[in-house]
Amino acid sequence: EVQLEESGGGLVQPGGSLRLSCAASGITFSKHWMTWVRQAPGKGMEWVANIKADGSEKSYVDSVKGRFTISRDNAKNSLYLQMDSLGAADTAVYYCARGYCSDVICYMSAMDVWGQGTTVTVSS
Amino acid sequence: QSALTQPPSASGSPGQSVTISCTGTSSDVGGYNYVSWYQQHPGKAPKLLIYEVTKRPSGVPNRFSGSKSGNTASLTVSGLQAEDEAEYYCNSYAGSNSLVFGGGTKLTVL
Repeated sequence: EVQLEESGGGLVQPGGSLRLSCAASGITFSKHWMTWVRQAPGKGMEWVANIKADGSEKSYVDSVKGRFTISRDNAKNSLYLQMDSLGAADTAVYYCARGYCSDVICYMSAMDVWGQGTTVTVSS
Repeated sequence: QSALTQPPSASGSPGQSVTISCTGTSSDVGGYNYVSWYQQHPGKAPKLLIYEVTKRPSGVPNRFSGSKSGNTASLTVSGLQAEDEAEYYCNSYAGSNSLVFGGGTKLTVL
């Protein structure tokens, strides 16, 4: 079964750091774009960051630039999100998601497999 | 990187059709044919329904269809069923490998 499983969430004080992990199983992880998306309580989804299949390109939403770092280890079928200088606005459920690949092309704009999410709470 | 605009709610009776809009700008929805739609039931992960404006991944019923005109994309759900009651999100490519999501639309099946 195709599966993504996030871990590493928790309660952290403002200014603190967390490292989220996303473990993939049953998929060809290394050929897909991977994305982190977050959903604050009662809010819609927000794209956070993505990384190309080979790790050569990374992009971030403006609000996390300079604070968050996305990375991947294709040998371990794993995706990561290092989050530093956390603030209350970062409180959310964080999902990792796999970019969809058709027979012809792999997309970074469509995500076909999502994890169940890991909750990050920033509070003193 | 402003969020795309979706109506907060939509509704329809079983068997009817309902259309949900997703409005952006020429820098995202209007500028690229890379709009996707997702369905999310409470407490569940999102499910991809539509990609590249009109295409459906295998396994998604053809009751779900997508379109775009100018800066507005739309998702139409035909033959509404009770299990279609969920939150629906759009997202669009916004250039420079960035994405933007809509605020979500809660679809109620009356």
